[in-house]
Amino acid sequence: GAVVSQHPSWVICKSGTSVKIECRSLDFQATTMFWYRQFPKQSLMLMATSNEGSKATYEQGVEKDKFLINHASLTLSTLTVTSAHPEDSSFYICSASRQGPYSGQPQHFGDGTRLSIL
Amino acid sequence: DQQVKQNSPSLSVQEGRISILNCDYTNSMFDYFLWYKKYPAEGPTFLISISSIKDKNEDGRFTVFLNKSAKHLSLHIVPSQPGDSAVYFCAATGNQFYFGTGTSLTVIP
Repeated sequence: GAVVSQHPSWVICKSGTSVKIECRSLDFQATTMFWYRQFPKQSLMLMATSNEGSKATYEQGVEKDKFLINHASLTLSTLTVTSAHPEDSSFYICSASRQGPYSGQPQHFGDGTRLSIL
Repeated sequence: DQQVKQNSPSLSVQEGRISILNCDYTNSMFDYFLWYKKYPAEGPTFLISISSIKDKNEDGRFTVFLNKSAKHLSLHIVPSQPGDSAVYFCAATGNQFYFGTGTSLTVIP
């Protein structure tokens, strides 16, 4: 199997708070991890790609200082939404791949985190 | 710029019949195409993939067909089951990774 655990599954917090979301590959080593955002009734939007031990590659339009990504080990990546505001409310999903991002190997997804900023 | 498109937002099929989900793409440099299934409030689950050098890949009830000249791929599910009801995303990868907009499949018992 290829299990990816994402935590927390739901978080509600006040505007201005920083929120950390964890993504763990439980039974395999993830060379690459991805972070997505999904707006209601829309597709998954890739935010950034990260490789273990190196800086994340952010997609155009995604604020690096707003969405901090750390991929410190082959089994853990974190996304920190800094100074979150209501417009950051969304469904965030991580995925992990055993190989590089464009190898054709499937990405294995966590169950997502629903972030609500009041 | 939507490089991977699923033009049908929804599809309803009777149980036991064939479900055909379609996907179009614009970039001829994509190497692999993948299909994912997603239930509400869960992450997508990988279903099946196909390399750009092939035109068909089959796995149980799921078959993916690739027509490179038309830049079109489709996912066939046969026979369809109520548990197949979900949103299906196609995805393509080359030097970038793109998801389609999804098609919501409802299999009617």
